[in-house]
Amino acid sequence: ETGVTQSPTHLIKTRGQQVTLRCSSQSGHNTVSWYQQALGQGPQFIFQYYREEENGRGNFPPRFSGLQFPNYSSELNVNALELDDSALYLCASSFGGRAGGVTYEQYFGPGTRLTVT
Amino acid sequence: AQSVAQPEDQVNVAEGNPLTVKCTYSVSGNPYLFWYVQYPNRGLQFLLKYITGDNLVKGSYGFEAEFNKSQTSFHLKKPSALVSDSALYFCAVRELYGNNRLAFGKGNQVVVIP
Repeated sequence: ETGVTQSPTHLIKTRGQQVTLRCSSQSGHNTVSWYQQALGQGPQFIFQYYREEENGRGNFPPRFSGLQFPNYSSELNVNALELDDSALYLCASSFGGRAGGVTYEQYFGPGTRLTVT
Repeated sequence: AQSVAQPEDQVNVAEGNPLTVKCTYSVSGNPYLFWYVQYPNRGLQFLLKYITGDNLVKGSYGFEAEFNKSQTSFHLKKPSALVSDSALYFCAVRELYGNNRLAFGKGNQVVVIP
């Protein structure tokens, strides 16, 4: 186990609703990255937070937003849910700085399975 | 932008035989390369990484990978496969500079046949 936890485990939402997913990073880590893994695909980078600020963003629309808190835990918020948002959402923690850092590998949580109907 | 290709959808191997999972990458400059494994309904588990140094890197559970700069490849290997190695394997790359963004391949399903 990595020490990265995510909640909830599963979630079912209706199209148009909003959802918040949560992640607690591994002790000592200051960077959290979020990924979306659609069925049968590899994870796609959504964004990264370093010391409470966004530190890079993938090709996702603004309705995907996030926060990082002083304890380095993080939230992913998705507004106006669409059917294509159904996926496994993975949080990963690491230790580093804005230009990459000491912990090159990222440690992943178990994920939140989001189903949009 | 960095990218990874994992050309095979599924790799079947008999238990006890060598296992190879292929990965090629594209990145500007020097790469950081990683292999992760995913079991059903679980997150990704880190296996090994190449940052610099020896081209043959050793990781968890008897896995190793060989970095080949001229062929831009980073194939994962295990000398003797176990049934418990059956899982989904992902190769990932990040650039030397920039944020810690990982680009993943589509994954390879490994099936080890008893």
